[in-house]
Amino acid sequence: AQSVTQLDSHVSVSEGTPVLLRCNYSSSYSPSLFWYVQHPNKGLQLLLKYTSAATLVKGINGFEAEFKKSETSFHLTKPSAHMSDAAEYFCVVRETGANTLFFGTGTRLTVIP
Amino acid sequence: NAGVTQTPKFQVLKTGQSMTLQCAQDMNHNSMYWYRQDPGMGLRLIYYSASEGTTDKGEVPNGYNVSRLNKREFSLRLESAAPSQTSVYFCASSEITDSYKYTQYFGPGTRLTVL
Repeated sequence: AQSVTQLDSHVSVSEGTPVLLRCNYSSSYSPSLFWYVQHPNKGLQLLLKYTSAATLVKGINGFEAEFKKSETSFHLTKPSAHMSDAAEYFCVVRETGANTLFFGTGTRLTVIP
Repeated sequence: NAGVTQTPKFQVLKTGQSMTLQCAQDMNHNSMYWYRQDPGMGLRLIYYSASEGTTDKGEVPNGYNVSRLNKREFSLRLESAAPSQTSVYFCASSEITDSYKYTQYFGPGTRLTVL
């Protein structure tokens, strides 16, 4: 069975400092993993995805994530936070061959000026 | 190319009333989905349609019905609304394809309040 755990419900960083949003997953097979971002009162936008190619995945707006099978983790990072990064971030898993996604509960990122 | 569109954006209902949420996509995708988003719970799948003419239950289908009207449109109906259905509803679409290409694209959401 698949599941996703986002370890922090809220992360607060100062502008210009690194961002780390943590995600652990469980999956029976080789999963696909995604990070989506949701800005206030908006829909969800895909940041990046891992699909069994390179384990370090680069996404939009300077974000990247590293797939670590041994740790069952897919943490999202960014070297330097910008005010526009303030949003809710969702880690998402898809089982191989499945036609549905399973969402984590989300991490709200606050960026302090 | 509008992507995924949803109507209405906002709706207030009284307990027991019915309504239909509309969703359309112009990306020629085969699969469409309805989710609800509640605080602290992420997105939960209500129903999905893998292809035109098929629908399947997701994690939280009770109290909802869906219709895949054609390849573009997928509607969600609340027959007798309850306060527990107060939520933000998102529609999404995707192509059935290999893992490398699979991505779901989301609409802007419908904010529903049931009094």
